[in-house]
Amino acid sequence: QSALTQPASVSGSPGQSITISCTGTSSDVGGYNYVSWYQQHPGKAPKLMIYDVSYRPSGVSNRFSGSKSDNTASLTISGLQAEDEADYYCSSYTSSSSYVFGSGTKVTVL
Amino acid sequence: QVQLQESGPGLVKPSETLSLTCAVSGYSISSGYHWGWIRQPPGKGLEWIASVYHSGSTYYNPSLKSRVTISLDTSRNQFSLKLSSVTAADTAVYYCARGTSGLQADYWGQGTLVTVSS
Repeated sequence: QSALTQPASVSGSPGQSITISCTGTSSDVGGYNYVSWYQQHPGKAPKLMIYDVSYRPSGVSNRFSGSKSDNTASLTISGLQAEDEADYYCSSYTSSSSYVFGSGTKVTVL
Repeated sequence: QVQLQESGPGLVKPSETLSLTCAVSGYSISSGYHWGWIRQPPGKGLEWIASVYHSGSTYYNPSLKSRVTISLDTSRNQFSLKLSSVTAADTAVYYCARGTSGLQADYWGQGTLVTVSS
């Protein structure tokens, strides 16, 4: 199965908003609302930031929000902070009863 | 608090079978959820390997299915991964995780590096 497509890098200044896209197909992102986003700092395990397209787990800042349109999901980080600098991965359930991750996006806070 | 901890050999020879175990505390794996494995080659992205539902139903990455077996051991509250015929391309940090609806992973282990080398 092919990885979902994400931009390799996105950057922004503190306080700004950035959006990371995640493009799949009708067999994954477009077909299910089981889209999630993970944050990964260097040397650490990934952390679930968004699930079911737009829901935040308890403890995750409301500066993080998710959405989906057709075959593309998006993660928006508002009020960018230095601690948000990390790698971000989207993921989706698929029609093959499997799970696929995105290619990953490195977020840099300028 | 749910906690997961991976264990297994850090070095495996080419063509042999990689075996890892994930011990779960704070939740009974037979009570619910999916339980799965994800890996990350050094400097690369995440790859989902397989998951097993608390009922025993299994789900596999189509590209790895022929080499992977995932199983539950409810008596020890742990689950395991076996990956056969490994090559250097299987060198990665292997994470175990709990999956909710649609296999979305809400709790993760810290990860264990497995190197395939002779």
